[in-house]
Amino acid sequence: AQSVAQPEDQVNVAEGNPLTVKCTYSVSGNPYLFWYVQYPNRGLQFLLKYITGDNLVKGSYGFEAEFNKSQTSFHLKKPSALVSDSALYFCAVRENSNSGYALNFGKGTSLLVTP
Amino acid sequence: DGGITQSPKYLFRKEGQNVTLSCEQNLNHDAMYWYRQDPGQGLRLIYYSQIVNDFQKGDIAEGYSVSREKKESFPLTVTSAQKNPTAFYLCASSPRGGSGYTFGSGTRLTVV
Repeated sequence: AQSVAQPEDQVNVAEGNPLTVKCTYSVSGNPYLFWYVQYPNRGLQFLLKYITGDNLVKGSYGFEAEFNKSQTSFHLKKPSALVSDSALYFCAVRENSNSGYALNFGKGTSLLVTP
Repeated sequence: DGGITQSPKYLFRKEGQNVTLSCEQNLNHDAMYWYRQDPGQGLRLIYYSQIVNDFQKGDIAEGYSVSREKKESFPLTVTSAQKNPTAFYLCASSPRGGSGYTFGSGTRLTVV
């Protein structure tokens, strides 16, 4: 079974500092990896994805993620955090099996950016 | 604008009642999905459908039912057999093969 792990329940960072939200994955074959952000009582907003190509993926709102095959990681990063980045972040991997192509999510990481 | 619409935004259910959550998309996506979100547990897959008139159970299908009579619509019924239905429910859709996923804004279901 394919899975993702987000080892941190919460990440705290000061505004203007770089931020990293960690994600590791376990898949058979080539992974399709995604990052989503969720604000309170809202749906998930797409940030970025890795399917193939460059290991450094640039996404929405200044976020980027680096696909590292040897470490099976796909950490989300931003050079300078904003207070408005405070939200819940989900890493996900696309299933690739007889169960179709549903996304399998990590448990989420709550990001708090303080002024 | 293309998108995915969930209704209602808030829903209250009495003990023993069945309720149906609506999910409609105009993205011409083949696949649709239902997820349940509980605090600290991420999103868990309830049911998914790859094509019209076909659907498959996900990880937590017990107490739920779905139908896929039209490509645009994938309603979820929470039956009285679901013992702990209070949660946030998210619907999503994707093209065949899962190269990208669009989520609705969710329905918050509360048992009263």
